[in-house]
Amino acid sequence: DVKVTQSSRYLVKRTGEKVFLECVQDMDHENMFWYRQDPGLGLRLIYFSYDVKMKEKGDIPEGYSVSREKKERFSLILESASTNQTSMYLCASSPARTGGRVVAKNIQYFGAGTRLSVL
Amino acid sequence: AQKITQTQPGMFVQEKEAVTLDCTYDTSDPSYGLFWYKQPSSGEMIFLIYQGSYDQQNATEGRYSLNFQKARKSANLVISASQLGDSAMYFCAMSPPQGAQKLVFGQGTRLTINP
Repeated sequence: DVKVTQSSRYLVKRTGEKVFLECVQDMDHENMFWYRQDPGLGLRLIYFSYDVKMKEKGDIPEGYSVSREKKERFSLILESASTNQTSMYLCASSPARTGGRVVAKNIQYFGAGTRLSVL
Repeated sequence: AQKITQTQPGMFVQEKEAVTLDCTYDTSDPSYGLFWYKQPSSGEMIFLIYQGSYDQQNATEGRYSLNFQKARKSANLVISASQLGDSAMYFCAMSPPQGAQKLVFGQGTRLTINP
């Protein structure tokens, strides 16, 4: 079974702190993603990575950065946490998309989430 | 840009009844994928079912089926014979034809199954 592990289920931090959220996958997937989940807004993509040391901004990258030094690990960094970053953070991974015109059934596998509170 | 809309914030259904969760999407791409995920209270997103835009038949996975109406741009999830364990948040999502298969998610529907 695919396993995506997020280092913490619950995290409480203070405004201005630097926060690291860690995600590890064990399926040798090329793609990794960080989403933020808020009530009524669904999941919104913060950043994703399609290879080691490669990253691309998602829809809401402001206030966040990421690091992918090893294939299995993708870190989300809040440089200076703010109260509006209180949220549920979900990490996901998926294999590289195969070639072709038709969209592949490229399932994303998710971790259990980290509920972050910034006080 | 792609967009997913789920218009039902919450649904309440009696156990053993069938339930339909609505999902409409908007895209100008002819090639795309549609996904449904379940999120129990534990928080983990669980993949349920997939439909490709060129698939001729509606997808089915056990008690789950996807009612895909391409012309109407809808991809409703149907759960037959609902069970108490089906109580959860359900998200519809879409992936584009190119790139690293980012997913665009809808707002979600909270389904509650009553005994």
